[in-house]
Amino acid sequence: DGGITQSPKYLFRKEGQNVTLSCEQNLNHDAMYWYRQDPGQGLRLIYYSQIVNDFQKGDIAEGYSVSREKKESFPLTVTSAQKNPTAFYLCASKGSGGTGELFFGEGSRLTVL
Amino acid sequence: AQSVAQPEDQVNVAEGNPLTVKCTYSVSGNPYLFWYVQYPNRGLQFLLKYITGDNLVKGSYGFEAEFNKSQTSFHLKKPSALVSDSALYFCAVRDGGTYKYIFGTGTRLKVLA
Repeated sequence: DGGITQSPKYLFRKEGQNVTLSCEQNLNHDAMYWYRQDPGQGLRLIYYSQIVNDFQKGDIAEGYSVSREKKESFPLTVTSAQKNPTAFYLCASKGSGGTGELFFGEGSRLTVL
Repeated sequence: AQSVAQPEDQVNVAEGNPLTVKCTYSVSGNPYLFWYVQYPNRGLQFLLKYITGDNLVKGSYGFEAEFNKSQTSFHLKKPSALVSDSALYFCAVRDGGTYKYIFGTGTRLKVLA
């Protein structure tokens, strides 16, 4: 079935370690997004990519990095520079056309100990 | 700048009663508006969208939304609430100048049996 797969679902890391969250889609979508969700703050955009080999910073990009080497994949690295990395991370994609909705993965919950 | 406001953190409604979850927006240009639902520890599921046309938009699971341009609102409605509708609901707007999607802070809907 077509969809977006995020892994791992749960991740525990020690402070100071870099962590990479995987996001893969088989929907043939051009655009992909990473959001961070914290209680009471809704979803905040970290990075987004409209096409392979191109991406833009969102509203809270500091301490995060991404790559878009393949259309299907948009991994997010949470670096040690991110001050408060514990959160629920959501990946999404969108097909071509300007008015489409986002399709979301099931999320990855990162806890930094 | 584009923005979305969900003025209620939580809405309680009795099963069988109509429900409304409020959303107001601020955009330059034509608004592209969306509603999503999220169950605990899951990704967001798309419910409905307004792009153009009829002000009453019908979506999944019996939900509908009313677009009101003069009040810059896009309230989510359902004629008869179910206990299974209890979840977190997000309103979103697409930034007309970019591919960014901006989300509200979410409203928790609790349907009481």
